[in-house]
Amino acid sequence: GDSVTQMEGPVTLSEEAFLTINCTYTATGYPSLFWYVQYPGEGLQLLLKATKADDKGSNKGFEATYRKETTSFHLEKGSVQVSDSAVYFCALSDKNSGGSNYKLTFGKGTLLTVNP
Amino acid sequence: DAGITQSPRHKVTETGTPVTLRCHQTENHRYMYWYRQDPGHGLRLIHYSYGVKDTDKGEVSDGYSVSRSKTEDFLLTLESATSSQTSVYFCAISIQQGYEQYFGPGTRLTVT
Repeated sequence: GDSVTQMEGPVTLSEEAFLTINCTYTATGYPSLFWYVQYPGEGLQLLLKATKADDKGSNKGFEATYRKETTSFHLEKGSVQVSDSAVYFCALSDKNSGGSNYKLTFGKGTLLTVNP
Repeated sequence: DAGITQSPRHKVTETGTPVTLRCHQTENHRYMYWYRQDPGHGLRLIHYSYGVKDTDKGEVSDGYSVSRSKTEDFLLTLESATSSQTSVYFCAISIQQGYEQYFGPGTRLTVT
């Protein structure tokens, strides 16, 4: 079945450091890929998405490129801020095996802490 | 932000009691989902709906039932709550299958 593997956390960085959170996936079809962010005590917010190979999603300085050849969708940001401290989830949407409805498959999340 | 509300936001209940959580949307999206979030497990799909009165099971549906009598409301019921159902529950919506999902603020449920 479908699966998403993202790097174990927690990740601790200093302000203005470069961020990479690795995400790889397994899917039977041609999934759409997403990054979500969850701030403490809140729900998940869509950060960025890519729907086909070589697409680059970007938002708020974060970027991720859909790499079909390496089945990866790594999240990057050139200069993190304290306000970026949150849990980041990689997810994919693929056709549910045996059915016609899509569902999201999530990675387990990576906690990012940015220190001043 | 997508117009999704969940109620209650916090609830403490005793083992064996029934509990109903409500998700309400103002976006008129066809698809609605219930997830639970637990440490070490990420988010897991409980049930989803692809239209009024159309629902299906997710990966962790045992002990849960759902109903959708109106486009805007999706109810999750724990028929007889157990301590293993202590979790944070999130509702999500999407306009079409395979598209991004938008999440509500969550309900923290504690079963004692």
